[in-house]
Amino acid sequence: EAGVTQFPSHSVIEKGQTVTLRCDPISGHDNLYWYRRVMGKEIKFLLHFVKESKQDESGMPNNRFLAERTGGTYSTLKVQPAELEDSGVYFCASSRRLAGVGADTQYFGPGTRLTVL
Amino acid sequence: AQSVTQLGSHVSVSEGALVLLRCNYSSSVPPYLFWYVQYPNQGLQLLLKYTSAATLVKGINGFEAEFKKSETSFHLTKPSAHMSDAAEYFCAVSLNTGRRALTFGSGTRLQVQP
Repeated sequence: EAGVTQFPSHSVIEKGQTVTLRCDPISGHDNLYWYRRVMGKEIKFLLHFVKESKQDESGMPNNRFLAERTGGTYSTLKVQPAELEDSGVYFCASSRRLAGVGADTQYFGPGTRLTVL
Repeated sequence: AQSVTQLGSHVSVSEGALVLLRCNYSSSVPPYLFWYVQYPNQGLQLLLKYTSAATLVKGINGFEAEFKKSETSFHLTKPSAHMSDAAEYFCAVSLNTGRRALTFGSGTRLQVQP
C-alpha cells in the first residue's frame, strides 16, 4: 500500500508569488489533513477534509491560503500571495473514515519544505 | 482547548541507556494521546497511541508509554537506546469529540551517542 505522498518536496519562491502544494492520500482514506511546522515551532493543524468537504478549517491562518480536494481524492493547498512568514514544512496526513471520535491513526507524508524569500 | 508540553527540545543518551521523553498534556475532556517519530527526510510515523484502554501502551521498536491521568502525563520510554533511535519525537493529543485535529508538542530531538 502506497503511503501519503506530497509534491514538491521543496519549493523556493519569492515573496508575492503563488505556490501550490499537492497531497495524495492513502487510497480509500476519506479524511485528509494539512498541518504546518514553522521553523522552531510546533506542528500546527490547518484544516481537515472528509472526502471533498471541509470539515474543520479553524487552523487556516488567513485568506491567502486556499485548500481544495477535488473529487475527494488528492488535495492542493495554494498560497497566494506568499509572505515570508509562510515559510515552513507543510505536512499532509490521511486516515480512514471511522465511526466515532478522533482516535483513528493519521498517516503523514514526508512534507513539503516551503521557503519564501 | 488542549495543549501539549514536551520537556527538553534535545535529549542525548548513550547507546544502551534508558530513553525517557517527557510529555504533559492539558485537556478539558478525556484525551487520545499519540507519540510520533520523524526520521530525517521522512514523514511522521506513529509509534503508539492511547485510546482509553490499557494505560500502559506498547508501540513499535520497543517503545512504550504510560498514561497517568493524575499527573496529566504520557512519557515515552525505551529500556535500551539504539543508534537507529536518533530522530525527532512528537507527542500529540486529540479530543474525545468529533474534532480530529491533532495538537502537537514542540518536539524532542533524541541523540544517541555510541
